Amino acid sequence: GENVEQHPSTLSVQEGDSAVIKCTYSDSASNYFPWYKQELGKRPQLIIDIRSNVGEKKDQRIAVTLNKTAKHFSLHITETQPEDSAVYFCAAPNSGSARQLTFGSGTQLTVLP
Amino acid sequence: DVKVTQSSRYLVKRTGEKVFLECVQDMDHENMFWYRQDPGLGLRLIYFSYDVKMKEKGDIPEGYSVSREKKERFSLILESASTNQTSMYLCASSFSRGLEQYFGPGTRLTVT
Repeated sequence: GENVEQHPSTLSVQEGDSAVIKCTYSDSASNYFPWYKQELGKRPQLIIDIRSNVGEKKDQRIAVTLNKTAKHFSLHITETQPEDSAVYFCAAPNSGSARQLTFGSGTQLTVLP
Repeated sequence: DVKVTQSSRYLVKRTGEKVFLECVQDMDHENMFWYRQDPGLGLRLIYFSYDVKMKEKGDIPEGYSVSREKKERFSLILESASTNQTSMYLCASSFSRGLEQYFGPGTRLTVT
């Protein structure tokens, strides 16, 4: 199956700075890479995703980049705000079953005021 | 708006008890999933189901079983709860060929 590694496990930034979270995957056939955000005490929710036919996707202050050759993808948050504080999970399709996702171990992002 | 609900937010059980966690979705999704969330380990798949009465093992199925008698409902069963099953349990659902998963609010299970 797919193996997804996520770094760093914790990240603290000053409000207004940028934050970058990186993930690597093992299956070169993977073609869909979502990012989920889980605020404290709440359920994970999809915030952005990218398919393997594009290298970058943006949605306001968040963007995801994909390097298929190196098999890694990253989440970029610019002009961070306190409400960006949360746990972020990356994921990739399980090579054994396209219906499944394999999740990274999560990154706790703290935005300091 | 997709809604995935779980039967309990918090549950405390004793070692050896049989535990049922229930999940219901109202979007006619074919796929349903049970995950376990532990700090530093992310979301680990226990079981998933892609149709009524169908189930497949995930990465950590030992000590768990599942039941899907109706399309909208997916139950996770701990036959004999143990302290190492203390965790947050998250249910999710998705369309048959869709990859976006919609999560429930989670059940915090404590086994004493």
